[in-house]
Amino acid sequence: ETGVTQTPRHLVMGMTNKKSLKCEQHLGHNAMYWYKQSAKKPLELMFVYSLEERVENNSVPSRFSPECPNSSHLFLHLHTLQPEDSALYLCASSQEGGWGYTFGSGTRLTVV
Amino acid sequence: DQQVKQNSPSLSVQEGRISILNCDYTNSMFDYFLWYKKYPAEGPTFLISISSIKDKNEDGRFTVFLNKSAKHLSLHIVPSQPGDSAVYFCAAPLMGGGSNYKLTFGKGTLLTVNP
Repeated sequence: ETGVTQTPRHLVMGMTNKKSLKCEQHLGHNAMYWYKQSAKKPLELMFVYSLEERVENNSVPSRFSPECPNSSHLFLHLHTLQPEDSALYLCASSQEGGWGYTFGSGTRLTVV
Repeated sequence: DQQVKQNSPSLSVQEGRISILNCDYTNSMFDYFLWYKKYPAEGPTFLISISSIKDKNEDGRFTVFLNKSAKHLSLHIVPSQPGDSAVYFCAAPLMGGGSNYKLTFGKGTLLTVNP
């Protein structure tokens, strides 16, 4: 499989649940990103990992916890989310130092 | 503070006509601009880019124009086709943490091309 794959595609969770979003890339990239897309808002950068180290955290609440165990995998662990966290969460990858992002199809998250 | 702005949330054109999507930016440090296209239930895909040393870049039916003095760029699609119906995002990279660029996106413009 090639490209950037995100699972699950859709997720509905309660405010007390704990869930994780998964992203996998098979492009040989060494930088990975989480973006959030809310309705009528620009894509918002959440986290940047480069060579498996977190290099950017864009003032994201601690209820979102990223993990990058290796350069091909990226997770976003979710706990005690709020309804306003409902959004499309997009993962992207690139080669370090480049801006040619490849995006996954996203996970549509609904918090109830 | 939005550094990349797309002030038109939607645009509707007839098939065969020209589509013009606009983008304004505020950060004069931007020296490269990209357009991404997004279909429903898919991630954004790269469409075309332009360096700040150019004022035009053309790729088939897609042309991007850059006016640095006005801090404005536009994407022209001609002729427009129904398959072009999607959300178009304007984006610009800035050096972020480490040696990585982070892309700053506009809100997007939904283009609908009517048959």
